[in-house]
Amino acid sequence: GAVVSQHPSWVICKSGTSVKIECRSLDFQATTMFWYRQFPKQSLMLMATSNEGSKATYEQGVEKDKFLINHASLTLSTLTVTSAHPEDSSFYICSGVGDRISYNEQFFGPGTRLTVL
Amino acid sequence: SQKIEQNSEALNIQEGKTATLTCNYTNYSPAYLQWYRQDPGRGPVFLLLIRENEKEKRKERLKVTFDTTLKQSLFHITASQPADSATYLCALGDQAGTALIFGKGTTLSVSS
Repeated sequence: GAVVSQHPSWVICKSGTSVKIECRSLDFQATTMFWYRQFPKQSLMLMATSNEGSKATYEQGVEKDKFLINHASLTLSTLTVTSAHPEDSSFYICSGVGDRISYNEQFFGPGTRLTVL
Repeated sequence: SQKIEQNSEALNIQEGKTATLTCNYTNYSPAYLQWYRQDPGRGPVFLLLIRENEKEKRKERLKVTFDTTLKQSLFHITASQPADSATYLCALGDQAGTALIFGKGTTLSVSS
């Protein structure tokens, strides 16, 4: 299957700082990437949909000015959590769909654990 | 609103038995349904996809059924092994390349 990587795998930061998470498709071109958030014992909740070269589409209740998404190339999307607070602590996961993948399959990154102190 | 229920939060079975996990949904007409495996602290790993016009799909020890009338999918793992212990997620999609809607998952524990 296709491979998606995320960096960093975990990060601890102080309240008020910004954190950038990278999502890369390693062996395919991801025309669309999705960002999900998962709290303990909860399902993955979609935050935003990112298409290469255009502005991300955010789900209701997700602040676009707080969660900045950039999808500048077909292999890289970034999520920046600005002015992070403890309630932003969560597991952030990206997934990609693209030209080489069966159109209904999504491949997920390993996730990034964010802890805000 | 759309709702997905995976009826058991946890399922414990003995090695060699068949594990059966259930996914029910309401207020939705998915074009396809997927099952993923998620290990602690890791992202989901794709297992199987079944389309709305398919009744059953198999892959090695895995079998998925999809009943759009009952709005239900069953996920079976035959001859289960301790290595199958993980959380299994059901996810629904309605168009190619669109975001998925996930259930909370069922955590399967297979004891030897």
